[in-house]
Amino acid sequence: QLQLQESGPGLVKPSETLSLTCTVSGGSISSSSYYWGWIRQPPGKGLEWIGSIYYSGSTYYNPSLKSRVTISVDTSKNQFSLKLSSVTAADTAVYYCASQEYSGYDCDAFDIWGQGTMVTVSS
Amino acid sequence: QSVLTQPPSASGTPGQRVTISCSGSSSNIGSNYVYWYQQLPGTAPKLLIYRNNQRPSGVPDRFSGSKSGTSASLAISGLRSEDEADYYCAAWDDTLGWVFGGGTKLTVL
Repeated sequence: QLQLQESGPGLVKPSETLSLTCTVSGGSISSSSYYWGWIRQPPGKGLEWIGSIYYSGSTYYNPSLKSRVTISVDTSKNQFSLKLSSVTAADTAVYYCASQEYSGYDCDAFDIWGQGTMVTVSS
Repeated sequence: QSVLTQPPSASGTPGQRVTISCSGSSSNIGSNYVYWYQQLPGTAPKLLIYRNNQRPSGVPDRFSGSKSGTSASLAISGLRSEDEADYYCAAWDDTLGWVFGGGTKLTVL
C-alpha cells in the first residue's frame, strides 16, 4: 500500500522560495500507473490543486500558480518535490502530496494522500 | 470563489439520508468525472467516491455518488455521528486543471 510523507521547513520568509519534498513508500515513483500531485489548504479554507508530475518529468500546473511553481521528481530517492517562489502570506497553508492513478489515457484525481505539512509565510 | 459550487453547510439526524450538491459547468463536471472527499477535523482528505459513483475499497455503501449534466451529488444514508466532517467535490476542468468545490460542513445533530 502506497504511503506518502511530506517534509520541509515549516516557516518561510516573504519573497523567498518554499521547498517541500514528498517521499513515497510502498511503491515506486517510477511506476507508469501514477501521477504525483501537490494540493494545499489555507487555514479554515478549501483545497487548491498546485500541480502534478509523471515519473518521466512531464508536469502540469494550476494556471494561477504556474509562474511561481516548479515540481520535479527524483526517481533515485523515490521522491518528488515542490518549489514555490516569491511567497507571500497568502501562501500560508497545509501542503499535501498525493498519488493519482493513471491508466495511460485517463488520470484520476487524488487517491492516497500524505498527512500534510503546515507552512507559514512570515518574517 | 471556487469553480465548483457546494452549499457551505448541511445537517441531519442519525439514521437520516442527506445529500450534498456540487454544481459546475460544461468544462468540468459536464465533460469529466466527479470525485468526492471526506475530511475529518485535523486530517488529510480521504477519497470517498471516484469516477462519479465508484467507491474505493473500504468505503461503506452508505455513501453514493451521482452526476447529471453539470451537477453532481453525494448521498449519505443511515447518517452516523462519525460522518460529521467536511466534504469536497472535485473534477478536472479542461482549462483550469483539477478544481475543487469550496467544501460542505456536515453536522450530525
